[in-house]
Amino acid sequence: DQQVKQNSPSLSVQEGRISILNCDYTNSMFDYFLWYKKYPAEGPTFLISISSIKDKNEDGRFTVFLNKSAKHLSLHIVPSQPGDSAVYFCAARSDSNYQLIWGAGTKLIIKP
Amino acid sequence: DSGVTQTPKHLITATGQRVTLRCSPRSGDLSVYWYQQSLDQGLQFLIQYYNGEERAKGNILERFSAQQFPDLHSELNLSSLELGDSALYFCASSVSGGEQETQYFGPGTRLLVL
Repeated sequence: DQQVKQNSPSLSVQEGRISILNCDYTNSMFDYFLWYKKYPAEGPTFLISISSIKDKNEDGRFTVFLNKSAKHLSLHIVPSQPGDSAVYFCAARSDSNYQLIWGAGTKLIIKP
Repeated sequence: DSGVTQTPKHLITATGQRVTLRCSPRSGDLSVYWYQQSLDQGLQFLIQYYNGEERAKGNILERFSAQQFPDLHSELNLSSLELGDSALYFCASSVSGGEQETQYFGPGTRLLVL
């Protein structure tokens, strides 16, 4: 039972355009969401997070949007740069334990 | 560089064997987490330690065990290995293991069971 789903295994975007990565979840007890970025042969790196009391969080070129009623969050990268090419993981945590539940990841390819 | 180190980087072994994966957390971090990532899947949380004590347990098999030592490094022991245990094993650390703390990940150990 996948509680966190990233339905797009890969996404290709032109450099300079907007990249939108999507994530859906099923557990209404999740109250904190994170995006991690992973390059080959490296561990995941924290990118941005959002608490369930907010619907938007912005950090430079990265913005995360949370739609609790739809149980959906998205990561927007504007403008996309070649260094953004990586695998992006969405993760969620409930207030009842310390576990992070991870999506399967979306491979983002930024085309020059 | 996250400051979290993991050894070895690669490990090839046979079914039925036992291996130990090692993790050193970032300087000052008291909490260590272990994750397993199988091919094309998300990370699966295995176990968390805080200052030497087990804090949370995820989908960790009985054949697997872990511990955190007084110097805060951690080891994940995998025994009676099966082909399906082939995966990337990540260690992460955070300051105190709080709910909204950022976890910093090591580069992982790639285990191949033949």
